[in-house]
Amino acid sequence: EAQVTQNPRYLITVTGKKLTVTCSQNMNHEYMSWYRQDPGLGLRQIYYSMNVEVTDKGDVPEGYKVSRKEKRNFPLILESPSPNQTSLYFCASSFSEMNTEAFFGQGTRLTVV
Amino acid sequence: AQSVTQPDIHITVSEGASLELRCNYSYGATPYLFWYVQSPGQGLQLLLKYFSGDTLVQGIKGFEAEFKRSQSSFNLRKPSVHWSDAAEYFCAVGAPNYGQNFVFGPGTRLSVLP
Repeated sequence: EAQVTQNPRYLITVTGKKLTVTCSQNMNHEYMSWYRQDPGLGLRQIYYSMNVEVTDKGDVPEGYKVSRKEKRNFPLILESPSPNQTSLYFCASSFSEMNTEAFFGQGTRLTVV
Repeated sequence: AQSVTQPDIHITVSEGASLELRCNYSYGATPYLFWYVQSPGQGLQLLLKYFSGDTLVQGIKGFEAEFKRSQSSFNLRKPSVHWSDAAEYFCAVGAPNYGQNFVFGPGTRLSVLP
């Protein structure tokens, strides 16, 4: 089954404790991205990757890091989480960046206390 | 820059009633337009998309949307709502700037009364 898998689904952490949210897709997609979803703001792109070892900032990259060492994986790293990073995070993948359908993971609800 | 507005934050309809969710976009060229649905606790699922051609597009679950260039709109419609349609709906515009593929609207939450 074609899917994007994120882990964990739920995470509560404390300020400053490094964490990683994993994302994996099995569709051989080149393009992957991370979004955060906040009430009233829709989804805002954090980082994206157009292929292995090619990553770039989206609209709200501050406080986040990503890596793309393999085509299927695109982890999101919070080196020093802060309460304003409490949000719902989605990983997405698509065949390319040019307006093709995006497939979304089920989301990771992160709470930073 | 591209932008998407969804004027209605929350809409409540009765089961069996018709539905229209509004979406307006700002984009300097021919847009690529999408509607996604997010059920509670789930990721986003594509309902339908418009790239070119017929301005009335059909999607899954009985939804359709009409692209109106003169009004910069891409409203989502369904003739008869089912209780399972209760969800959040996002309109998105394709943003073919290098690297970024979507700009999303803020979403419209749909509640369905029995």
